[in-house]
Amino acid sequence: GENVEQHPSTLSVQEGDSAVIKCTYSDSASNYFPWYKQELGKRPQLIIDIRSNVGEKKDQRIAVTLNKTAKHFSLHITETQPEDSAVYFCPFCQGAQKLVFGQGTRLTINP
Amino acid sequence: NAGVMQNPRHLVRRRGQEARLRCSPMKGHSHVYWYRQLPEEGLKFMVYLQKENIIDESGMPKERFSAEFPKEGPSILRIQQVVRGDSAAYFCASSPQEIGVPYHEQYFGPGTRLTVT
Repeated sequence: GENVEQHPSTLSVQEGDSAVIKCTYSDSASNYFPWYKQELGKRPQLIIDIRSNVGEKKDQRIAVTLNKTAKHFSLHITETQPEDSAVYFCPFCQGAQKLVFGQGTRLTINP
Repeated sequence: NAGVMQNPRHLVRRRGQEARLRCSPMKGHSHVYWYRQLPEEGLKFMVYLQKENIIDESGMPKERFSAEFPKEGPSILRIQQVVRGDSAAYFCASSPQEIGVPYHEQYFGPGTRLTVT
């Protein structure tokens, strides 16, 4: 079925460096791409999203880029800080209704 | 504007008892979704509701689980005769309804952590 593949499954970076997480999708009709951050024991938090009519969106240290031809979109976090440590998800929006989550990427920021 | 509210935050039930989880969507939101999360896993969709209607329950187990979103009051996820395998975090999300907009942001509540002993 339609889904999203997310890479890497774990990522460890030094504080201050950049982190990039990539998701590849299969449904060419997809046109909404959200990113959620979930800290340990907390709720998933929508941190940024993009619709297919734009190629890039930025919000302070966070940016998302979309390549519709290659069917992938990426989350970029610059100047990483310890509080960026969390699991990041790029769920697939199925039927414009439910979100289908994968296993996510566990990001660890090393001080 | 208060966010999505869920209660209780923690719920302990013995095997065979009933669990009722409540979710109040954000003000102005008419769509509610329930997800379940096991430890170290992603969230799994369970059910999507609008006021007085179940739109998609494809993720709900066939037995013991039910959900409702009445005209007045919160959405309720009900689990009858709980078993140990029901222990998980249950998250509710809500989204607004905008005519002509095919996708809407979903905002999550803090979750209810159910423990079955």
